[in-house]
Amino acid sequence: DVKVTQSSRYLVKRTGEKVFLECVQDMDHENMFWYRQDPGLGLRLIYFSYDVKMKEKGDIPEGYSVSREKKERFSLILESASTNQTSMYLCASSKIIGPSTYEQYFGPGTRLTVT
Amino acid sequence: AQSVTQPDIHITVSEGASLELRCNYSYGATPYLFWYVQSPGQGLQLLLKYFSGDTLVQGIKGFEAEFKRSQSSFNLRKPSVHWSDAAEYFCAVGYLSYNTDKLIFGTGTRLQVFP
Repeated sequence: DVKVTQSSRYLVKRTGEKVFLECVQDMDHENMFWYRQDPGLGLRLIYFSYDVKMKEKGDIPEGYSVSREKKERFSLILESASTNQTSMYLCASSKIIGPSTYEQYFGPGTRLTVT
Repeated sequence: AQSVTQPDIHITVSEGASLELRCNYSYGATPYLFWYVQSPGQGLQLLLKYFSGDTLVQGIKGFEAEFKRSQSSFNLRKPSVHWSDAAEYFCAVGYLSYNTDKLIFGTGTRLQVFP
């Protein structure tokens, strides 16, 4: 089974702190994603990566950065956490085998509270 | 622009009753369509996906969905709901871009099941 793990289930940080959220997948997937989930808004894509050291902005990248130094690991960084970044963060990974064979596998999520 | 609409924010059904969750999409080409389920405190699990072929798709846990191009819909159904089906359900449209797959999610439908 594909496994996507996230370093923390719950995290509480103070405004202005630098926050690292870590994600690891064990299935040699090329693609990795960070989403933010908020009630009534569904999931919104923050950043994604299709290869080591490659990254692209998603729909809401402001206030975030990412790092992918190894294929299995994708980190989300909040340079200076703010209260409006309090949310559930979900990591996902995928591998495109063909034009009709792919799906994204999700981690359990990290609920981040910024006070 | 691609978008997904889930018109029902919250649905309540009795255990054993049938279920239909609505999903409408907007996408210029042939869509790739997905249904995910999120149990409380968990990540997302794929229920089923549609890429092409038979418009009635069978998934896990007894769920099925029907793709109707004329109505731009991909509604999720289950003939008899179990209490363990209480969760949040997300519809998504997928496409390929930047050498990776992208998903656009709806805002979700929360299902409550009464005994």
